[in-house]
Amino acid sequence: AQTVTQSQPEMSVQEAETVTLSCTYDTSESNYYLFWYKQPPSRQMILVIRQEAYKQQNATENRFSVNFQKAAKSFSLKISDSQLGDTAMYFCAFGASAGAGSYQLTFGKGTKLSVIP
Amino acid sequence: GAVVSQHPSRVICKSGTSVKIECRSLDFQATTMFWYRQFPKQSLMLMATSNEGSKATYEQGVEKDKFLINHASLTLSTLTVTSAHPEDSSFYICSARGATNEKLFFGSGTQLSVL
Repeated sequence: AQTVTQSQPEMSVQEAETVTLSCTYDTSESNYYLFWYKQPPSRQMILVIRQEAYKQQNATENRFSVNFQKAAKSFSLKISDSQLGDTAMYFCAFGASAGAGSYQLTFGKGTKLSVIP
Repeated sequence: GAVVSQHPSRVICKSGTSVKIECRSLDFQATTMFWYRQFPKQSLMLMATSNEGSKATYEQGVEKDKFLINHASLTLSTLTVTSAHPEDSSFYICSARGATNEKLFFGSGTQLSVL
């Protein structure tokens, strides 16, 4: 079974500053995906960024980037130039194969990020 | 991008009644759907995985007779909470994936309150 650990229940950052959210995971799988999801007050889950485990290059999506350390089983999210709209719960998730080419997600407990004006 | 519609967004029911939640993929065929449950200020817990035309696979500790999942078509999956009790009150979220799409798309969730 997979486990995902987010050790920071809450964080805050000044607008326009940079913040890093931590995530570690444990698995015996060799092929998997890692994700960061954002859940704003509307509670809609929004995919922020995705990383395939077999890719060494860290994924980047505009202001969002990850630091994927496979050997250390670490997958942190860096948010640059933080904006007020980034205020949300952030969940780290591990995707393991669920058959038929699909995969199911195991979520961490989340980090509540507040961007301060 | 792909859209997953989930209804109702909020439902209040009396204890002992059954509630059906629908999850529809609007512009793609969802070969696999997942149902999650989220308690206040907690993470999403996977309840079950369903592939179209097959019986759902439930996670350990989830009562399959209480949480009935039907995935009879490639665009619709339903979760029925049977004989709901106050402890079933929670936020339920579905997600769907198409056969050719590695991404998962989430519904907007259903807040169930059982009185």
